[in-house]
Amino acid sequence: DIQMTQSPSTLSASEGDRVTITCRASEGISNSLAWYQQKPGRAPKLLIYEASKLEGGVPSRFSGSRSGTEFTLAISSLQPDDFATYYCHQYHLYPWAFGQGTKVGIK
Amino acid sequence: QITLKESGPTLVKPTQTLTLTCTFSGFSLSTSEVGVGWVRQPPGKALEWLAIIHWNDDKHDNPSLKNRLTITKDTSKNQVVLTVTNVDPLDTATYYCAHRLIYRGFSHWGQGILVTVSS
Repeated sequence: DIQMTQSPSTLSASEGDRVTITCRASEGISNSLAWYQQKPGRAPKLLIYEASKLEGGVPSRFSGSRSGTEFTLAISSLQPDDFATYYCHQYHLYPWAFGQGTKVGIK
Repeated sequence: QITLKESGPTLVKPTQTLTLTCTFSGFSLSTSEVGVGWVRQPPGKALEWLAIIHWNDDKHDNPSLKNRLTITKDTSKNQVVLTVTNVDPLDTATYYCAHRLIYRGFSHWGQGILVTVSS
């Protein structure tokens, strides 16, 4: 099974900061990776699919990239609405897998 | 507008079978490249993928649940049903159903249903 190692598990940042979150796949998953944002008590929201494609309606400050089996979610300038937990998700091979999540908090 | 909603019992006893229904609108599961899946989240923990079924009846589930999952669809009713047999308190979680298109992640989610397994 493919393992997704997400880091960091938590980070503290200020409004306006650039933030990056990384997911490493245990083997190649092509570009079959999505990123979600989840707020407490709410369902996840799709931000990025196919590693770097922005879902409709998602602000352009969010971006995704890939280098081999390492995937990065970047938020260019953190806004108050962005404080949440973020998950990566590989859908290349079954069983699909999510990362363990990164909680972005206020510094 | 795509919407999904989970329904089912919120409390089940250990060893019982849990049956959850996802009722959706705004798309058809007979349309090419469409799928509906299930994801769960124990309180305070990460998301866990459970199962997916596609328009062509291609289906997969997570082997970590040791063959306790079954996913089926009723295209005429716009529903997907997930059953979990022999439940345990470790199955306590919020269960979500979600819509996907091929090559994408889950783009639309239900609100989730919290299921507690307890005697």
